[in-house]
Amino acid sequence: DAGITQSPRHKVTETGTPVTLRCHQTENHRYMYWYRQDPGHGLRLIHYSYGVKDTDKGEVSDGYSVSRSKTEDFLLTLESATSSQTSVYFCAISEGRRGNLETQYFGPGTRLLVL
Amino acid sequence: QKEVEQNSGPLSVPEGAIASLNCTYSDRGSQSFFWYRQYSGKSPELIMFIYSNGDKEDGRFTAQLNKASQYVSLLIRDSQPSDSATYLCAVTGNTGKLIFGQGTTLQVKP
Repeated sequence: DAGITQSPRHKVTETGTPVTLRCHQTENHRYMYWYRQDPGHGLRLIHYSYGVKDTDKGEVSDGYSVSRSKTEDFLLTLESATSSQTSVYFCAISEGRRGNLETQYFGPGTRLLVL
Repeated sequence: QKEVEQNSGPLSVPEGAIASLNCTYSDRGSQSFFWYRQYSGKSPELIMFIYSNGDKEDGRFTAQLNKASQYVSLLIRDSQPSDSATYLCAVTGNTGKLIFGQGTTLQVKP
């Protein structure tokens, strides 16, 4: 298994509170991604990073921010959680964006419930 | 039209049979194609990737790509109950971002 951990694994929070999810990798891969997975929508890209302090938006970035201060850590912050952000969040990593390097490997996921 | 489409299923096959999972995509510039397996409550795990037209085999799994018709399929030979899972098709286009289908649920009955 790729060396990816996510914390916390489960979280319950209240509407309006900030929440930070952490993804940690031991593979020294350049690219890191945050997805959310919801019934009827599949996996959707929130944000991704292509290096330390280099990030870009994905398909569903509104209400989320990210930071990457170290190669191994990629943080996802819900600035003011809403019930629509109740979801399962997956972190993924890849070595690159072309050819054999672009294969993405997923972390175990974080289940977030916003009440 | 969704960018990557899969029949949600469930697809039910008897143990030992061949399971055929299909995926179509809309972006003709798509270059890389992936199949992931996801057990209930778990994260997606890579089964195979394919870049060129034709077939690619790995054990009991065969991925088939037809860029002219814009579809990719996954065949699972000698299906086992442990193959019961949701199978996600994912495609990368010119943007380099991975686009996922909603997945097909496969049930292999003993």
